[in-house]
Amino acid sequence: GAGVSQTPSNKVTEKGKYVELRCDPISGHTALYWYRQSLGQGPEFLIYFQGTGAADDSGLPNDRFFAVRPEGSVSTLKIQRTERGDSAVYLCASSYATGELFFGEGSRLTVL
Amino acid sequence: KNEVEQSPQNLTAQEGEFITINCSYSVGISALHWLQQHPGGGIVSLFMLSSGKKKHGRLIATINIQEKHSSLHITASHPRDSAVYICAVRMDSNYQLIWGAGTKLIIKP
Repeated sequence: GAGVSQTPSNKVTEKGKYVELRCDPISGHTALYWYRQSLGQGPEFLIYFQGTGAADDSGLPNDRFFAVRPEGSVSTLKIQRTERGDSAVYLCASSYATGELFFGEGSRLTVL
Repeated sequence: KNEVEQSPQNLTAQEGEFITINCSYSVGISALHWLQQHPGGGIVSLFMLSSGKKKHGRLIATINIQEKHSSLHITASHPRDSAVYICAVRMDSNYQLIWGAGTKLIIKP
């Protein structure tokens, strides 16, 4: 597609379950960012990939959160043992290394 | 001190007013981005600047690299401009993004 695609757009899960959120960036974009945004708050940085490697994962809140980008394109954010506090919109953005940012529509996660 | 500071944090104005949102940063950057997020909506990139000035419709963005300062201006503001405007800088050392806290703009009809 032409833009950044995130799936699923909505995910409702129960506390303690495992969740995967996918980001398909614009083809050729080397930089990929994951953020999460809680209601009424600004985006909170989670992790940044440059190519296949995580250049900065300092925003991951704890070891329940993990993200991969094995081939330098699609990225998956994985959340284990979900908690109610994980409920948020998870945003993905991509760009060339120094280029304009393009954002996906986000994946809304609700943990019951 | 935050590396990227925006002001004002909140701004309410009447339709038609000229709007200015400011962004100051303290790190070396390769580019500065102005982003827009409407309530309940996604984030849209408005401008990417590394020098000078850019204009798109009623929006104008300027950057002064020496002073480490950027401004976003909206001319003839309209209620549909109501949104959060975010300044984000891309560091020149590692291309990481540092975000400002955002400016919540409300334009009243």
